Amino acid sequence: DVKVTQSSRYLVKRTGEKVFLECVQDMDHENMFWYRQDPGLGLRLIYFSYDVKMKEKGDIPEGYSVSREKKERFSLILESASTNQTSMYLCATSTNLQPQHFGDGTRLSIL
Amino acid sequence: QKEVEQNSGPLSVPEGAIASLNCTYSDRGSQSFFWYRQYSGKSPELIMSIYSNGDKEDGRFTAQLNKASQYVSLLIRDSQPSDSATYLCAVSLSNTGNQFYFGTGTSLTVIP
Repeated sequence: DVKVTQSSRYLVKRTGEKVFLECVQDMDHENMFWYRQDPGLGLRLIYFSYDVKMKEKGDIPEGYSVSREKKERFSLILESASTNQTSMYLCATSTNLQPQHFGDGTRLSIL
Repeated sequence: QKEVEQNSGPLSVPEGAIASLNCTYSDRGSQSFFWYRQYSGKSPELIMSIYSNGDKEDGRFTAQLNKASQYVSLLIRDSQPSDSATYLCAVSLSNTGNQFYFGTGTSLTVIP
């Protein structure tokens, strides 16, 4: 069965901290995505990766960076966390260009 | 203007009825259309995709696409309480992963 694992279900950090969110998949999918989901705004794409070391910006990349050193792992980095980055973060994978399989999400609170 | 618009609901239907969920999109160049279901506190799951005008059926679910009207819908026949969830419409504008847009979702409640 398909498995997308996000490292933390809940996370609390302080403003200014560097925050790492990890996502690991066991399906050998080329494409991986990071979304954030906020009430009334829906899911918004932060970054997309179509191969190791390859990435494309989504709609809201400001304040974020990503890393994909291995095919199975896609990391989202908040360079200097701010309160407006408090959100639910969802990782997804796919064999095509539409997100197919989502992780359980990380609910991140920035205090 | 948002790429994808959905009525947020909530939409309530009695058990056994047909639930009709609607979505409009703004870009006429949109190529692919999707429906996701998201249970409360859970992640979205892909349930339907449609690429050409007309209807596509999968069990109790039917996706309908009308490109001229820029309109996508999802019909759920014989609605069950287990169908209660938020349904997200999504649209792909091109063959790249960063031109894929979600609507904000319609909340559906099926009343036993």
